[in-house]
Amino acid sequence: QVQLQESGPGLLEPSETLSLTCSVSGGSITSAYWTWIRQSPGKDLEWLGSIYSSLYYENTIDHNPSLRRRVSLSVDTTKSRISLEVTSVTTADTAVYFCAREGRNDYRYLDVWGKGISVTVSS
Amino acid sequence: DIQLTQSPSFLSASVGDRIAITCRASQGILYHLAWYRLKPGEAPRLLIRAASTLQSGVPSRFSGSKSGTEFTLTINSLLPEDSATYYCQQLHGNPYTFGKGTRLEIK
Repeated sequence: QVQLQESGPGLLEPSETLSLTCSVSGGSITSAYWTWIRQSPGKDLEWLGSIYSSLYYENTIDHNPSLRRRVSLSVDTTKSRISLEVTSVTTADTAVYFCAREGRNDYRYLDVWGKGISVTVSS
Repeated sequence: DIQLTQSPSFLSASVGDRIAITCRASQGILYHLAWYRLKPGEAPRLLIRAASTLQSGVPSRFSGSKSGTEFTLTINSLLPEDSATYYCQQLHGNPYTFGKGTRLEIK
């Protein structure tokens, strides 16, 4: 079955760029939707955005409007990885970051998640 | 943004009990709601999708229902491993927001 694993730096300083990757194993990365979510220290969950990895066309990306200017998503099909970048980080970006697969039929849902990676922004 | 008001924020129950968690949407979201369980150090798990469809592999002790803009997750015959935090998420309108979570303690 599909498994996801997040990786990246655990500590950044304010104003730096956060770069995380999500490795996909046990299934195809193409023709699927992939999502990033984060959980703040206060335990609130926030949907960051999703990307559809297309085999034939340009990838489709959905952003959380509140983070659109700072968040970018990409897919590397050759390495079976999804990437998240968050620019100009502040302490408010301290969180556990999860990647997840989004299932879609008549309804949408996140059916496979990674265990998450803890990221701290501190000077 | 669509707001989800989840209650209660904390619940303490005993093994064998039945509990219910409620999630109220600030506007109509049809059946575009999912429930998840989060445990520290584990990958979050999808329990219910489309408001009331049990995800494959999830025990039938879990069920979901909808009445208007109010959604309910019910867990029957609680087990010790049900100790976790439960979240609802609406997937009707971007941004796809979450409730604030319900921490379930098994006494």
